[in-house]
Amino acid sequence: EVLLLESGGGLVQPGGSLRLSCEASGFTFSNYAMTWVRQAPGKGLEWVAVINGGGTAMYYADSVKGRFTISRDNFRNTLYLQMNSLRAEDTAIYYCTKGGAVHWSYSPTGVAWGQGTLVTASS
Amino acid sequence: DIQMIQSPSSLSASVGDKVTITCRSSQGISNYLAWYQQKPGKVPKLLIYNGFTLQSGVPSRFSGSGSGTDFTLTISSLQPEDVATYYCQKYYSVPLTFGGGTKVEI
Repeated sequence: EVLLLESGGGLVQPGGSLRLSCEASGFTFSNYAMTWVRQAPGKGLEWVAVINGGGTAMYYADSVKGRFTISRDNFRNTLYLQMNSLRAEDTAIYYCTKGGAVHWSYSPTGVAWGQGTLVTASS
Repeated sequence: DIQMIQSPSSLSASVGDKVTITCRSSQGISNYLAWYQQKPGKVPKLLIYNGFTLQSGVPSRFSGSGSGTDFTLTISSLQPEDVATYYCQKYYSVPLTFGGGTKVEI
């Protein structure tokens, strides 16, 4: 059974930093692209970042480019999201998702979802 | 960037009704489109990928169609457990944009 367990969320002041983690199990982690998707309170889904299975290619939404960094440790089966210079508008539940192939191209990226972790950027 | 526009943003239908949700992309994306279902207070779930392929375990009353720029999610006979918000997402290229969502009520 595929399991994705996010952690690291919490309350942070605007301008602060947080690092989210997503521990994966039940599949060969390095064989799949992974993404972060967020959902602000009462709002829709917003794709944040994607990384390929090898951890050598990553892309970001314009709204987080230059502030967030996605990475992965294929030995620890863990996905990360380093979030710097947080803003109030970054307040959301952050989900990690498993893709359908080693690269995101031409393969759905939301095959499995974690339960999410809440990030609140507020003073 | 390619934009994904869903319509309607919400709808109300009766049990047993046929429900149709559309998703339009601003440029062609072949059939690299997925549909997700998010029930109230729950995590999103993949329903359909490649425009029309049903994910394992998804009831057959759900179907997808379309290619290029226009896509449709159809629920052939709406059930109470289908109350949810439905999202489309393209994966033809980055950014992996979601549509704005369609809230389905009974």
